[in-house]
Amino acid sequence: GAVVSQHPSRVICKSGTSVKIECRSLDFQATTMFWYRQFPKQSLMLMATSNEGSKATYEQGVEKDKFLINHASLTLSTLTVTSAHPEDSSFYICSASKGGGVSYEQYFGPGTRLTVT
Amino acid sequence: QKEVEQNSGPLSVPEGAIASLNCTYSDRGSQSFFWYRQYSGKSPELIMFIYSNGDKEDGRFTAQLNKASQYVSLLIRDSQPSDSATYLCAVNTQGGSEKLVFGKGTKLTVNP
Repeated sequence: GAVVSQHPSRVICKSGTSVKIECRSLDFQATTMFWYRQFPKQSLMLMATSNEGSKATYEQGVEKDKFLINHASLTLSTLTVTSAHPEDSSFYICSASKGGGVSYEQYFGPGTRLTVT
Repeated sequence: QKEVEQNSGPLSVPEGAIASLNCTYSDRGSQSFFWYRQYSGKSPELIMFIYSNGDKEDGRFTAQLNKASQYVSLLIRDSQPSDSATYLCAVNTQGGSEKLVFGKGTKLTVNP
């Protein structure tokens, strides 16, 4: 199997506060984890790529100081949205890749719906 | 810029019919290709991946890859209302990166 969990599934926070989202690969070691954001009726947008023990690689236009990513182990990555604002309200989804071979498939977590009031 | 194009739909088929979903990609060096299903309000779920030219079958699903035409498709046989979802095509480009480039998705509706 390839199961990825995310916590929390839903969070409401006040503007200006920080929110941490956890992503865990439950039955495999993930060489790489990815963080996506998806606004309603829009496609997935890759925010950053995270490898265990190294700094995350952010996509163009994504503020690394606002979206802090820590990849502490081969099974855990966290995304912290700092000083959240209403425009950060979105569906945040992580994925994990087993790596190697030729396929590079990614397995997605169930997502975290963030609402900033 | 590496792009993945899909018809946004909606694609509507009757129950029991074959649904055909298409995807083209711009990077000729792309190595592997994925189809994900995303139900409304949920995260994507991997259906199939393919990296060799030709067909790959898994139950009611068949992925077809034609690298010369830079085209990948997904056929769903005996479509069921539960197949109604948005189908995302994703491509792993060359260079050894594990990043995937996603298309915007095709919304499929299977009518009972």
